[in-house]
Amino acid sequence: QAQLVQSGTEVRRPGAAVKVSCKISGYTRTAQGIAWVRQAPGQGPEWMGRMGADNRNTNSAPKFQGRLTLTIDSFTRTAYMELRSLTSDDTARYFCAREWRQNSLDPWGQGSLVTVSS
Amino acid sequence: QSALTQPASVSGSPGQSITISCTGISSDSSVSWYQQYPGRAPKVIIYNISDRPSGISNRFSGSKSGNTASLTISALQGEDEANYYCTSSTGTIPVVFGGGTKVTVL
Repeated sequence: QAQLVQSGTEVRRPGAAVKVSCKISGYTRTAQGIAWVRQAPGQGPEWMGRMGADNRNTNSAPKFQGRLTLTIDSFTRTAYMELRSLTSDDTARYFCAREWRQNSLDPWGQGSLVTVSS
Repeated sequence: QSALTQPASVSGSPGQSITISCTGISSDSSVSWYQQYPGRAPKVIIYNISDRPSGISNRFSGSKSGNTASLTISALQGEDEANYYCTSSTGTIPVVFGGGTKVTVL
Protein backbone atom coordinates (compact mmCIF):
# COMPACT_ATOMS: atom_id res chain seq x y z
CA GLN A 1 0.00 0.00 0.00
CA ALA A 2 1.06 3.57 -0.59
CA GLN A 3 3.26 5.05 2.12
CA LEU A 4 5.06 8.34 2.57
CA VAL A 5 7.85 8.59 5.15
CA GLN A 6 9.30 11.98 5.99
CA SER A 7 12.54 13.22 7.49
CA GLY A 8 12.77 14.23 11.11
CA THR A 9 12.71 17.33 13.26
CA GLU A 10 14.62 20.41 12.16
CA VAL A 11 15.62 23.56 14.05
CA ARG A 12 16.67 26.65 12.12
CA ARG A 13 17.62 30.26 12.81
CA PRO A 14 15.58 33.06 11.24
CA GLY A 15 16.75 33.74 7.71
CA ALA A 16 17.95 30.19 7.14
CA ALA A 17 16.49 27.53 4.85
CA VAL A 18 15.14 24.04 5.52
CA LYS A 19 14.76 21.04 3.24
CA VAL A 20 12.33 18.28 4.15
CA SER A 21 12.28 14.91 2.40
CA CYS A 22 9.40 12.55 1.70
CA LYS A 23 10.18 8.95 0.67
CA ILE A 24 7.50 7.44 -1.56
CA SER A 25 6.76 3.71 -1.64
CA GLY A 26 4.00 1.22 -2.34
CA TYR A 27 2.64 2.63 -5.58
CA THR A 28 3.70 3.53 -9.08
CA ARG A 29 3.89 7.26 -9.33
CA THR A 30 2.59 7.65 -12.85
CA ALA A 31 -0.37 9.98 -12.62
CA GLN A 32 -0.36 11.33 -9.12
CA GLY A 33 1.36 14.42 -7.85
CA ILE A 34 2.73 15.20 -4.42
CA ALA A 35 1.39 18.09 -2.37
CA TRP A 36 2.93 19.81 0.62
CA VAL A 37 0.82 21.05 3.51
CA ARG A 38 1.90 22.71 6.73
CA GLN A 39 0.20 23.11 10.06
CA ALA A 40 1.30 25.68 12.61
CA PRO A 41 0.79 24.87 16.30
CA GLY A 42 -2.91 25.02 17.17
CA GLN A 43 -3.88 25.99 13.63
CA GLY A 44 -5.50 24.23 10.69
CA PRO A 45 -3.62 22.82 7.74
CA GLU A 46 -2.43 25.12 4.96
CA TRP A 47 -1.72 23.99 1.39
CA MET A 48 1.69 25.17 0.26
CA GLY A 49 2.20 23.74 -3.20
CA ARG A 50 2.37 20.68 -5.38
CA MET A 51 4.51 18.91 -7.94
CA GLY A 52 2.77 17.05 -10.73
CA ALA A 53 3.38 13.46 -11.71
CA ASP A 54 5.49 14.64 -14.66
CA ASN A 55 8.04 16.08 -12.19
CA ARG A 56 7.88 19.38 -14.04
CA ASN A 57 4.50 20.96 -13.46
CA THR A 58 4.56 22.72 -10.10
CA ASN A 59 2.51 25.43 -8.54
CA SER A 60 2.51 27.01 -5.13
CA ALA A 61 0.32 29.26 -3.02
CA PRO A 62 1.03 32.94 -3.65
CA LYS A 63 2.35 33.52 -0.14
CA PHE A 64 5.18 31.04 -0.69
CA GLN A 65 6.17 31.98 -4.22
CA GLY A 66 9.79 33.01 -4.42
CA ARG A 67 10.96 31.08 -1.37
CA LEU A 68 9.50 27.60 -1.91
CA THR A 69 11.11 24.95 -4.11
CA LEU A 70 9.58 21.52 -4.71
CA THR A 71 11.59 18.76 -6.35
CA ILE A 72 11.44 15.01 -6.85
CA ASP A 73 14.28 12.56 -7.32
CA SER A 74 12.62 9.88 -9.45
CA PHE A 75 15.52 7.47 -8.99
CA THR A 76 15.22 7.37 -5.20
CA ARG A 77 11.45 8.11 -5.25
CA THR A 78 11.95 10.94 -2.82
CA ALA A 79 10.18 14.31 -2.87
CA TYR A 80 11.73 17.40 -1.34
CA MET A 81 10.36 20.68 -0.04
CA GLU A 82 12.79 23.55 0.52
CA LEU A 83 11.64 26.73 2.23
CA ARG A 84 14.00 29.70 2.43
CA SER A 85 14.18 32.97 4.38
CA LEU A 86 12.55 31.37 7.41
CA THR A 87 10.83 33.40 10.10
CA SER A 88 9.22 32.33 13.36
CA ASP A 89 5.89 32.23 11.49
CA ASP A 90 7.23 29.22 9.57
CA THR A 91 7.37 27.12 12.73
CA ALA A 92 5.02 24.26 11.87
CA ARG A 93 4.70 20.59 11.09
CA TYR A 94 5.19 20.03 7.38
CA PHE A 95 3.40 17.18 5.61
CA CYS A 96 3.72 15.63 2.18
CA ALA A 97 0.68 13.88 0.73
CA ARG A 98 -0.22 12.06 -2.47
CA GLU A 99 -2.76 13.73 -4.72
CA TRP A 100 -5.48 11.14 -4.95
CA ARG A 101 -9.02 11.47 -6.29
CA GLN A 102 -10.80 14.73 -7.01
CA ASN A 103 -8.13 16.88 -5.37
CA SER A 104 -8.16 14.81 -2.17
CA LEU A 105 -4.88 13.91 -0.48
CA ASP A 106 -4.14 10.33 0.55
CA PRO A 107 -2.01 9.04 2.13
CA TRP A 108 -0.06 11.57 4.14
CA GLY A 109 3.43 11.41 5.53
CA GLN A 110 3.80 11.47 9.29
CA GLY A 111 4.91 15.11 9.24
CA SER A 112 8.21 16.86 9.90
CA LEU A 113 8.43 19.42 12.68
CA VAL A 114 10.33 22.56 11.76
CA THR A 115 11.10 25.07 14.51
CA VAL A 116 12.46 28.51 13.67
CA SER A 117 14.00 30.23 16.64
CA SER A 118 16.88 32.53 17.42
CA GLN B 1 -8.54 33.37 7.85
CA SER B 2 -9.79 30.60 5.55
CA ALA B 3 -12.10 31.19 2.60
CA LEU B 4 -14.07 28.16 3.80
CA THR B 5 -16.06 28.68 7.00
CA GLN B 6 -16.72 25.90 9.49
CA PRO B 7 -18.17 26.04 12.99
CA ALA B 8 -15.40 26.02 15.56
CA SER B 9 -16.97 23.21 17.55
CA VAL B 10 -19.80 20.70 17.44
CA SER B 11 -20.75 18.27 20.17
CA GLY B 12 -23.08 15.35 20.57
CA SER B 13 -23.84 12.38 22.76
CA PRO B 14 -22.95 8.81 21.82
CA GLY B 15 -25.46 7.42 19.34
CA GLN B 16 -26.60 10.82 18.13
CA SER B 17 -25.95 12.34 14.70
CA ILE B 18 -24.12 15.58 14.15
CA THR B 19 -23.56 17.70 11.05
CA ILE B 20 -20.63 19.98 10.27
CA SER B 21 -21.10 22.67 7.65
CA CYS B 22 -18.53 24.18 5.31
CA THR B 23 -19.55 27.40 3.59
CA GLY B 24 -17.85 29.16 0.69
CA ILE B 25 -17.64 26.28 -1.79
CA SER B 26 -17.58 27.18 -5.48
CA SER B 27 -20.45 25.70 -7.46
CA ASP B 28 -18.21 23.55 -9.66
CA SER B 29 -15.69 22.47 -7.01
CA SER B 30 -15.31 19.10 -5.42
CA VAL B 31 -15.17 18.75 -1.65
CA SER B 32 -13.17 16.51 0.64
CA TRP B 33 -13.34 16.03 4.38
CA TYR B 34 -10.46 15.07 6.69
CA GLN B 35 -10.35 13.72 10.22
CA GLN B 36 -7.34 14.61 12.35
CA TYR B 37 -6.41 13.39 15.80
CA PRO B 38 -3.96 15.47 17.87
CA GLY B 39 -0.40 14.86 16.82
CA ARG B 40 -1.42 12.85 13.75
CA ALA B 41 -1.66 13.57 10.06
CA PRO B 42 -5.09 14.33 8.59
CA LYS B 43 -6.90 11.39 7.00
CA VAL B 44 -9.40 11.70 4.17
CA ILE B 45 -12.84 10.36 5.09
CA ILE B 46 -14.92 11.86 2.25
CA TYR B 47 -13.87 12.86 -1.27
CA ASN B 48 -15.80 14.03 -4.33
CA ILE B 49 -18.46 15.55 -2.03
CA SER B 50 -19.94 12.23 -0.87
CA ASP B 51 -17.64 9.30 -1.70
CA ARG B 52 -15.96 7.30 1.06
CA PRO B 53 -12.51 5.75 0.67
CA SER B 54 -12.23 2.06 1.29
CA GLY B 55 -12.20 1.30 5.00
CA ILE B 56 -14.03 4.42 6.12
CA SER B 57 -17.14 3.78 8.18
CA ASN B 58 -20.49 4.38 6.51
CA ARG B 59 -21.39 6.44 9.57
CA PHE B 60 -19.64 9.28 7.73
CA SER B 61 -21.54 10.89 4.87
CA GLY B 62 -21.11 14.02 2.81
CA SER B 63 -23.37 16.28 0.79
CA LYS B 64 -23.43 19.67 -0.86
CA SER B 65 -26.12 22.24 -1.52
CA GLY B 66 -25.33 25.51 -3.20
CA ASN B 67 -22.14 26.89 -1.70
CA THR B 68 -22.32 24.78 1.47
CA ALA B 69 -20.98 21.30 1.99
CA SER B 70 -21.88 19.16 4.98
CA LEU B 71 -20.37 16.22 6.81
CA THR B 72 -22.72 14.10 8.88
CA ILE B 73 -21.51 11.65 11.49
CA SER B 74 -24.24 9.26 12.52
CA ALA B 75 -24.31 6.99 15.58
CA LEU B 76 -21.62 9.11 17.18
CA GLN B 77 -18.86 7.21 18.98
CA GLY B 78 -16.10 8.23 21.32
CA GLU B 79 -13.48 7.56 18.66
CA ASP B 80 -15.09 10.26 16.49
CA GLU B 81 -13.75 12.94 18.84
CA ALA B 82 -11.27 14.75 16.59
CA ASN B 83 -10.81 17.79 14.41
CA TYR B 84 -12.51 17.81 11.00
CA TYR B 85 -11.51 19.91 8.02
CA CYS B 86 -13.25 20.48 4.70
CA THR B 87 -11.32 21.28 1.55
CA SER B 88 -12.24 22.64 -1.83
CA SER B 89 -10.46 24.45 -4.62
CA THR B 90 -10.26 28.01 -5.85
CA GLY B 91 -9.17 29.27 -9.22
CA THR B 92 -5.47 29.04 -8.45
CA ILE B 93 -5.19 26.85 -5.38
CA PRO B 94 -6.34 23.22 -5.75
CA VAL B 95 -6.69 22.59 -2.01
CA VAL B 96 -8.08 25.19 0.38
CA PHE B 97 -8.73 24.07 3.94
CA GLY B 98 -11.58 25.20 6.11
CA GLY B 99 -10.83 26.54 9.55
CA GLY B 100 -11.65 23.22 11.18
CA THR B 101 -14.29 21.92 13.55
CA LYS B 102 -13.56 20.24 16.86
CA VAL B 103 -16.01 17.44 17.52
CA THR B 104 -16.61 16.59 21.15
CA VAL B 105 -18.44 13.46 22.24
CA LEU B 106 -20.25 14.25 25.47
